[in-house]
Amino acid sequence: QSVVTQPPSASGTPGQRVTISCSGSSSNIGRSTVNWYQHLPGTAPKLLIYSSNQRPSGVPDRFSGSKSGTSASLAISGLQSEDEADYYCAAWDDSLSGPVFGGGTKLTVL
Amino acid sequence: QVQLQQSGPGLVKPSETLSLTCTVSGGSMFTHYWSWIRQPPGKGLEWIGYMYYSARATYNPSLKSRVTISVDTSKNQFSLMLTSVTAADTAVYYCARSSQGAWRYDRWFDAWGQGTLVTVSS
Repeated sequence: QSVVTQPPSASGTPGQRVTISCSGSSSNIGRSTVNWYQHLPGTAPKLLIYSSNQRPSGVPDRFSGSKSGTSASLAISGLQSEDEADYYCAAWDDSLSGPVFGGGTKLTVL
Repeated sequence: QVQLQQSGPGLVKPSETLSLTCTVSGGSMFTHYWSWIRQPPGKGLEWIGYMYYSARATYNPSLKSRVTISVDTSKNQFSLMLTSVTAADTAVYYCARSSQGAWRYDRWFDAWGQGTLVTVSS
């Protein structure tokens, strides 16, 4: 059981906007930035958002991140079938002296 | 464009030592932290540990007694050793590069190896 909590699943239809939440504590999200990774089965995770709201080059602007207090969220607008994947948030955890991942959210595009 | 290529056995016997290597190309080993992360079947991602080339490694407390991460800049490689493995250590193991922003709590993994499924079984 991760100390950073995500809903196990989320879903949406093509074109819709979906959000995935990530809830932590003062020892992780409350004192660090949040990153989001997209993970497709059989491939390496891909960085989607870093520093809570920054997109690496090549990531579409349909993906956006935000953080407030001890929670963060990932928003995906204009949902596409290729967005179907597992999404993980991560933040530095002071008690771990390293990063902690959320449990992951499986996004289904209906 | 940095690339990370993993190598190592996919099958390890119980009580033995898991060893994996990650070869870095297209980037410097002197400017980033180097990490290992794993994902047990059906579960989420778990950080194992990281190392900077000139500093002592930092490990997840849950694995600290069994883990060693080392960096060999002459070969552009970093390695993972996990001793006394059990079936619970069966997972896909990833090597990854960590970049940092303006402060120490602003870090992210921006390059990953392809992943190695390591099965612990006799």
